[in-house]
Amino acid sequence: DTEVTQTPKHLVMGMTNKKSLKCEQHMGHRAMYWYKQKAKKPPELMFVYSYEKLSINESVPSRFSPECPNSSLLNLHLHALQPEDSALYLCASSQAPLAGGSDTQYFGPGTRLTVL
Amino acid sequence: AQKVTQAQTEISVVEKEDVTLDCVYETRDTTYYLFWYKQPPSGELVFLIRRNSFDEQNEISGRYSWNFQKSTSSFNFTITASQVVDSAVYFCALRGPDYKLSFGAGTTVTVRA
Repeated sequence: DTEVTQTPKHLVMGMTNKKSLKCEQHMGHRAMYWYKQKAKKPPELMFVYSYEKLSINESVPSRFSPECPNSSLLNLHLHALQPEDSALYLCASSQAPLAGGSDTQYFGPGTRLTVL
Repeated sequence: AQKVTQAQTEISVVEKEDVTLDCVYETRDTTYYLFWYKQPPSGELVFLIRRNSFDEQNEISGRYSWNFQKSTSSFNFTITASQVVDSAVYFCALRGPDYKLSFGAGTTVTVRA
């Protein structure tokens, strides 16, 4: 089973709202990732968690705040977003955190975020 | 630095035609990994295949086949007898000995009935 689930599927929020995206995997993976994907572009890495600790922050603005409550869950808290933050947000997980090697990232279906 | 080039932006074919997607990569790593992902309109990135740099054996999986050639730094993907369900954006990606996937720009495949 290579399933990564994400909720909600769609989210519309105003610039003053606070919302959260949720990601869950039950494959026993120890690395989890957040990506942002704009229309007609490839995904861009935002954050990497390894063994529930933030390992990589790709210079993401502080209005995006990740959280990893346990090895199966990954949240992305959103606050004071801008319209240009509207995008598809993808979560992924992989077995071997930052170990290089051949581990494969498996992606969830994404959350389509619209910021008004 | 790593770079993946998918020169074909869009490909449109009629059902049952074969489609070949080109992927050319650049890396200074001696050990690296190549991937193909499919992204249908629903948005989910679906993993298709991983290839290690030390394994140049080509692979066939059903209607899908992959041709990996280190000499030309290419990892091409062919869909045989295409179907409407194959319509999607296909991404080639490269990973070195670290966490980061470098994606190509993607190729949009449209299969018409």
